[in-house]
Formats: sequence, structure tokens, C-alpha cells
Amino acid sequence: GESVGLHLPTLSVQEGDNSIINCAYSNSASDYFIWYKQESGKGPQFIIDIRSNMDKRQGQRVTVLLNKTVKHLSLQIAATQPGDSAVYFCAETSDTGRRALTFGSGTRLQVQP
Amino acid sequence: DGGITQSPKYLFRKEGQNVTLSCEQNLNHDAMYWYRQDPGQGLRLIYYSQIVNDFQKGDIAEGYSVSREKKESFPLTVTSAQKNPTAFYLCATGAGETQYFGPGTRLLVL
Repeated sequence: GESVGLHLPTLSVQEGDNSIINCAYSNSASDYFIWYKQESGKGPQFIIDIRSNMDKRQGQRVTVLLNKTVKHLSLQIAATQPGDSAVYFCAETSDTGRRALTFGSGTRLQVQP
Repeated sequence: DGGITQSPKYLFRKEGQNVTLSCEQNLNHDAMYWYRQDPGQGLRLIYYSQIVNDFQKGDIAEGYSVSREKKESFPLTVTSAQKNPTAFYLCATGAGETQYFGPGTRLLVL
């Protein structure tokens, strides 16, 4: 079936550097995307979202880029901090009827001091 | 996870036993969801409810049951028919397409 997946299972960066986490999706009907951050033993925390009619959206220290041509989504974290260490998931919806999310398997971000 | 509470944080199930996981919300969201997360994996949808007294099966509903008698509550029962229940269970509420998650319940089998 169609799915959302991630290119890199683990990303290690130095504190202060910028981080880029990538996500590929296969459903061309996907129209809404969300990035979540999940710390160990906790529930996912909403970071930022983007609709398919946008290419870019910025939040506080985070930017999401959407390339519909190649079905690719990325999360950029500026000036990465130790508190950013977590697993990051992208999720998408394309079924407006049930409004349920399809999740990728996640990327672990490790920030080295 | 503010506004969404899940209890207990840890739950132990004996073989053949049914157990119920609690999810309560005070966000006044109509939609509520249950997901299962296995180690190193993403979340998979078990059941969802878009309105009181109505719910639908998700992708992995077998061995689970739910009820939605109140807007604030969406309990999940893991029945004895679920042969591999060990996982992290996450409840979410929905405001439009966006979903917000509770802190989770970790279910372990004795």
C-alpha cells in the first residue's frame, strides 16, 4: 500500500549546526503533512504542518519544505540544541473522510555537545 | 500533551485477560484516535471516532474494542484475542486534520 517513509534512520549533528530530516511519501493525493517530535517514553509533540498548496512554512527555528513534484518533505532545524534530540516523524493525510494520519517509521536525531 | 490524559502509564496484562486503557480530553475536540506504536516504528491506527456514539475501525482493529459514550472519553479495550499486545498505546484528539497526542500507556504482558 501507499506509505510515508524516511530516508535516514539516524542523524547525528553537532550542537549549533542546522539539521535536515527528510521524508518521502508515495500518495500523490496527500494534501496535508505534519512533523512530530517524540522523546523517549512520551507521546508525539506537534512541531509544524504544511498543506499541499504551499512549498514552505516557517516556525520558530523550524522550516518545513514540500516538493510535490518528487513527493518529498523535509524538516529543517536551525541552530540545533541538545533538547532537539528525539525521534522525528512525518505524517500525512489524504483521506479527508477519516482524517487519520499515516506515519513514517521515524528518524532519530542525536545532537552532540 | 496538555489537555489529553492517558492512564495508567504502565499496564500489565496476564494471558487471556482483557484490559482497558483510558483516554480523557478537555480540549472539546470531536475526533479521537487510538494508535499503537511498536519499538522503532511509526504509529498505526487502531480505531477512531469522529463524533460521540460513533467509531470506525482503523488499520489494525483486530483484538481491540472501543466505546465513545462521552465526547471527553474514548477508552480502548485490549481483548484476549490480541495475541501480541505488548506496545506503546497513544491516544490523540483531532482539530481538523491536526492531531494532538496524549502521553501514552505502555502495555506489557506477564
